[in-house]
Amino acid sequence: GENVEQHPSTLSVQEGDSAVIKCTYSDSASNYFPWYKQELGKRPQLIIDIRSNVGEKKDQRIAVTLNKTAKHFSLHITETQPEDSAVYFCAADAGNMLTFGGGTRLMVKP
Amino acid sequence: ETGVTQSPTHLIKTRGQQVTLRCSSQSGHNTVSWYQQALGQGPQFIFQYYREEENGRGNFPPRFSGLQFPNYSSELNVNALELDDSALYLCASSLQTGANTEAFFGQGTRLTVV
Repeated sequence: GENVEQHPSTLSVQEGDSAVIKCTYSDSASNYFPWYKQELGKRPQLIIDIRSNVGEKKDQRIAVTLNKTAKHFSLHITETQPEDSAVYFCAADAGNMLTFGGGTRLMVKP
Repeated sequence: ETGVTQSPTHLIKTRGQQVTLRCSSQSGHNTVSWYQQALGQGPQFIFQYYREEENGRGNFPPRFSGLQFPNYSSELNVNALELDDSALYLCASSLQTGANTEAFFGQGTRLTVV
């Protein structure tokens, strides 16, 4: 089955800096890669996703890159703000079953 | 906010008991997936229902079972509860069109087994 590794597990940045979270996956059949943001006590919310036919996707301050050959994908957040503080999960989907990484706790210090 | 709702929001059960959790999918969605999220971990896939049939299952024992109804709402049943079943149970609905599509999560049911 699919296995998704996520790094780092915690990330602390200063407000205005960039943050990068990296994930690797094992199943070459995976072709959909969403990223979720989960604030304390709340549901995971989709913030951006990318499909295997695209190498990069950007939405305002958030971007995701995908390298299918190396089986890794990354989340980039620029100009971080305190409200970006949360746990971020990457996931991979090979057949309508999401396999999640272990999560990254992002702390943005004002 | 998504249109996915779960009930109850919190639940305390005793080891050995049975529990039923409920999920109403977003309007127009025909697929519901259930996930278990232990504290400090990522969600783990339990199973998925598509048009009232199980459409995939993760590494969970048979005491975890489910149903999907004609209106696409769903139930998760857990028998013979164990302490390790304490977790946040999330359902996610999506529209299965043959291509991978966005999954929208409910707010979850926090189950505590004592």
